This record gives sequence, structure tokens and C-alpha cells, in this order.
Amino acid sequence: AQKVTQAQTEISVVEKEDVTLDCVYETRDTTYYLFWYKQPPSGELVFLIRRNSFDEQNEISGRYSWNFQKSTSSFNFTITASQVVDSAVYFCALSESPLYSGGGADGLTFGKGTHLIIQP
Amino acid sequence: DTGVSQDPRHKITKRGQNVTFRCDPISEHNRLYWYRQTLGQGPEFLTYFQNEAQLEKSRLLSDRFSAERPKGSFSTLEIQRTEQGDSAMYLCASSLRMQETQYFGPGTRLLVL
Repeated sequence: AQKVTQAQTEISVVEKEDVTLDCVYETRDTTYYLFWYKQPPSGELVFLIRRNSFDEQNEISGRYSWNFQKSTSSFNFTITASQVVDSAVYFCALSESPLYSGGGADGLTFGKGTHLIIQP
Repeated sequence: DTGVSQDPRHKITKRGQNVTFRCDPISEHNRLYWYRQTLGQGPEFLTYFQNEAQLEKSRLLSDRFSAERPKGSFSTLEIQRTEQGDSAMYLCASSLRMQETQYFGPGTRLLVL
């Protein structure tokens, strides 16, 4: 079963529009972490946010905001007043404790990503 | 620059050849991770180290893949007898502790002809 689902493969909006990227996750762990990364065309993954499972407060950082809802296992990411430089692939990722990730592994489980295109 | 670095950035090889990639983590980070990313997919976890100990290797894709971190600093990922299906981006990341933020390097893009 897919542990991190990003159902939107590609989103295209016009500059200055708001856009929300969806992320739904699945885990039996009670202590876990969720992440968002940005991957621009250059290929390097850029860290955006880390949120632990006990902190359901929404977070805002400039034009970026995140909505974490444990009840629906979702961790959605909104960009307000989008800009062309926001064009990239965005990944949501889950970190479970090794007991639940299997085999003692401490690796991140990524979704398939959402390709965001901001048109001028 | 104190970020994660990887070398080479690009590698073209012929099927059947061996390749080795290097990763230098952020200096104070003792956890180092390797991932593979194929086109249109998210990164897929392969293996990780805490200092020089490799704590998980069951996710390595086959016995042709191996990784080392001999002195707990840089790490190498080797692929023996490369196949065309090994063509992908190989990413390295490092973190301070378990479940802390992983910071990624620029990746090594491998093309097997």
C-alpha cells in the first residue's frame, strides 16, 4: 500500500493565483514526521518544512502555508500569490520510527510528487 | 559551501561496467542516506549509515549495489555490472539524528548505455 499519496500529478496555474498541493499519508506509528521538499529543474531537493505528529498547528512562512490534519491523514501545502519561480516538482514525505518503517530503516518514504507549473 | 556534495554530477557508462559515486555529508551530521530517483517518481530509499555502521541494507536493489562509509565521513555507492535499468538519479542526504531533517545533495545522474 502506498504510504504517501500525492494524487495531483501536475497542476498548472497563472501567476498570482493561489494553489494547494495535496498530500495524504498512511501509518500506524504514533510518532512520525512529515516533510515537504521542492525539486526545481536543477534536480536538487530543497527542504521546506518538517512537522511532527503531535503538532497540528498550521504553519505559515511567507507565501507558503501548511495545513496538517491528523483526522484525515493529510498534510497539504498552499502557495499564495504564486510566482514563476515556484515552478518545480514538490514532494511530500513521511518518516516513521524504525519499528514501523520495517527492518530498522530510517529512510523517508516519498510520494510521487506534484509537478507545479506557474505560467506568467 | 557546507552542504551535502556529490561527485560526479553526471556519469555515462556502458552496460556491464562498474561505477562508484561519492557523497560528502554536512560535516557534523552522523547519519547518511542513499536514495534512487527514476523519472517521474519520488526518491526511493536504499540504505543508510550512522557514523561508519550501515544500519539498513535490505532496501538495496540487488547484490550488485553496495555502499561504504569507512571512517564515518564520506560514503561511496558502487554498482557492479551496470544494467540499463540502473539509469537514474542517485541522491545522498545527511542528518544529525534519527528522524531529523535530511538535507540532500545535488545528485549523480547515471546513464547506462
